[in-house]
Amino acid sequence: EDQVTQSPEALRLQEGESSSLNCSYTVSGLRGLFWYRQDPGKGPEFLFTLYSAGEEKEKERLKATLTKKESFLHITAPKPEDSATYLCAASGGGADGLTFGKGTHLIIQP
Amino acid sequence: ETGVTQTPRHLVMGMTNKKSLKCEQHLGHNAMYWYKQSAKKPLELMFVYNFKEQTENNSVPSRFSPECPNSSHLFLHLHTLQPEDSALYLCASSQPKRGHEQFFGPGTRLTVL
Repeated sequence: EDQVTQSPEALRLQEGESSSLNCSYTVSGLRGLFWYRQDPGKGPEFLFTLYSAGEEKEKERLKATLTKKESFLHITAPKPEDSATYLCAASGGGADGLTFGKGTHLIIQP
Repeated sequence: ETGVTQTPRHLVMGMTNKKSLKCEQHLGHNAMYWYKQSAKKPLELMFVYNFKEQTENNSVPSRFSPECPNSSHLFLHLHTLQPEDSALYLCASSQPKRGHEQFFGPGTRLTVL
């Protein structure tokens, strides 16, 4: 059975304090690893797709990386507007849908 | 309208009511999905449709009945629900091949009394 585990569950940072969120996965035949951002009361917003170990993608203050067992979402010099829940999901060979982790609730204090 | 839209945004229903959730995508995709998001739990896949055909039912109780009349529209018909079915119901769409990113609607917040 495919599994995705995210850590930490919650993270509080000061504005400008860089950090990383972790996503470990056990998926048979990984087809893609996805990161989403979700604000309260809204649907998940797509951020990145990673397909193979060693791949990296960047968008503004966010950079996602992938290894054979984990993915990291690095946040550099975050701002209060980066506060949200960040979701990691994987697509495997066994199902058409995505397997999600529980998310990391990130709070950036001014 | 752009992206994925869902109506209604909020729904309160009794256990004996029948209601339907609607999803529409304007992205030209051919795969559509229903997910359930409950507090403290990861998003749970419920149903998958590819080119209007149901390809996955993730052991969902029969009180949830999906319908996909075309590649742009998806419905979730609800009847005799239980209070534990209260959750955020999210619709998503994507290109049909596995590994493509899915784009989500804003969700319907369902409360069952």
